[in-house]
Amino acid sequence: ETVMTQSPLSLSVTPGEPASISCRSSQSLLHSNGYNYLDWYLQKPGQSPQLLIYFSSNRASGVPDRFSGSGSGTDFTLKISRVEAEDVGIYYCMQGLHTPPAFGGGTKVEIK
Amino acid sequence: QVQLQESGPGLVRPSETLSLTCNVSGYSTTNTNYWGWIRQPPGRGLEWIGSVLRGGNTYYNPSLGNRVTLSLDTSKNQFSLSLSSVTAADTAIYFCVRQRQWLVILDYWGPGALVTVSS
Repeated sequence: ETVMTQSPLSLSVTPGEPASISCRSSQSLLHSNGYNYLDWYLQKPGQSPQLLIYFSSNRASGVPDRFSGSGSGTDFTLKISRVEAEDVGIYYCMQGLHTPPAFGGGTKVEIK
Repeated sequence: QVQLQESGPGLVRPSETLSLTCNVSGYSTTNTNYWGWIRQPPGRGLEWIGSVLRGGNTYYNPSLGNRVTLSLDTSKNQFSLSLSSVTAADTAIYFCVRQRQWLVILDYWGPGALVTVSS
C-alpha cells in the first residue's frame, strides 16, 4: 500500500506571503505515459474537497494561477505564490497510480 | 453545471447495511467512465471507498473487505453505495465524486452525507 506523507501538518501564513506544502509518496507515481498520478485538493471549512491540481502540475479549471504544483516520482510540492484569505482550509495530496488510491494526512493552512 | 447530491439515511444501526445514492444532474453518467465514493470520519482525513465504471466493472478498497458494493444506473443518472455489517468505525461523511480518469482527477464532488452508525 502506498503511503502519502504531507508536511507540514499546519501552516500559518500572512496574506500576500507565499506558502509551500510537501507531499512524499512511498512509491513512484510516474506512469509509463509520462504523467505523475498525483492530485492536490483543498477542503475549505464546512465544504467538500475541490480539485486544485492534477497530474502533479496541471491546474484544474477555474483555479487561480497563484496555485502551482511540481514534482515527479516520489516528491511533490504545492505552492501558493501569494496567500489570500479564501485559501484557508486543509490541503490534501492524493495518488491514483497504485491501488488502493491514497490521500495524504492533510496540511491545515490558516491566515495570521 | 455538473452537480452531485448524496441521499440516504443519516442513521444506521450496527451490523446493518448503509445505503447511499448519488444523483447526478447537469451531466449524463453515460458520458464519463468513472464514478466513485470517498469517506471522511468526523475530524479526520479522506479514505477511498471504491469506483464504478460505466460498463459495470468496479474497484473496491481492500480495507473494506467484501462489505462494499457499488452500482451505476445510467437510466436514472445515478450511482449507489452499499456497505454491509457496519460498525461505529463506519461513521463518516460520505462523498460521491466524478472521476475524469481512472482513480484520479476527482473533478466534481457532492456536498457529502453524514452517516452515523449507532444503536
